[in-house]
Amino acid sequence: NAGVTQTPKFQVLKTGQSMTLQCAQDMNHEYMSWYRQDPGMGLRLIHYSVGAGITDQGEVPNGYNVSRSTTEDFPLRLLSAAPSQTSVYFCASSYNSGPIQETQYFGPGTRLLVL
Amino acid sequence: SQELEQSPQSLIVQEGKNLTINCTSSKTLYGLYWYKQKYGEGLIFLMMLQKGGEEKSHEKITAKLDEKKQQSSLHITASQPSHAGIYLCGADIVDTGRRALTFGSGTRLQVQP
Repeated sequence: NAGVTQTPKFQVLKTGQSMTLQCAQDMNHEYMSWYRQDPGMGLRLIHYSVGAGITDQGEVPNGYNVSRSTTEDFPLRLLSAAPSQTSVYFCASSYNSGPIQETQYFGPGTRLLVL
Repeated sequence: SQELEQSPQSLIVQEGKNLTINCTSSKTLYGLYWYKQKYGEGLIFLMMLQKGGEEKSHEKITAKLDEKKQQSSLHITASQPSHAGIYLCGADIVDTGRRALTFGSGTRLQVQP
């Protein structure tokens, strides 16, 4: 298994540009989520999904869209990039979508710089 | 996150010394997870604690969840340079309304040879 994969590893955008961060997992996990990590603030949840076709907002959803058309993929879209979205983005997945009892597996991250 | 406080924020220890990192919540925790992050890389799962009073060990790392399930500690015995990194606690906190982990801000550990 490749686990959780993320592309690209690094991206530079100009303010106002849009882009999609890709996340895929091959473990047949129902639950997937996106976090952003900023210095001194730990990880903050952006959006999450408990299964294909179901998404919900996390702690900091503004400026981001998600969709879950398949179990394997959970892309994160930046609609109009802003410097405040400069961060490291992590995708995570776990097996079940019930009360959290399962380990979350994290991807290697995408470093995004918005100029 | 303000819901989960980690201390200390950073720690520098000499190789061979013991150290403890704390993670405290003002609310009851359903589950507490410890992760390690090497600089510039993703998160590696260390341990998960669910029951009050539970203690788990892996190699030289021991984690405990207190009886009230509101605080956890991570203890490293005889630290090595390979222990260096950022340690993050994540928790399933009651009544956040979200099926996701809430994370602390992390503890940056340096181990000097």
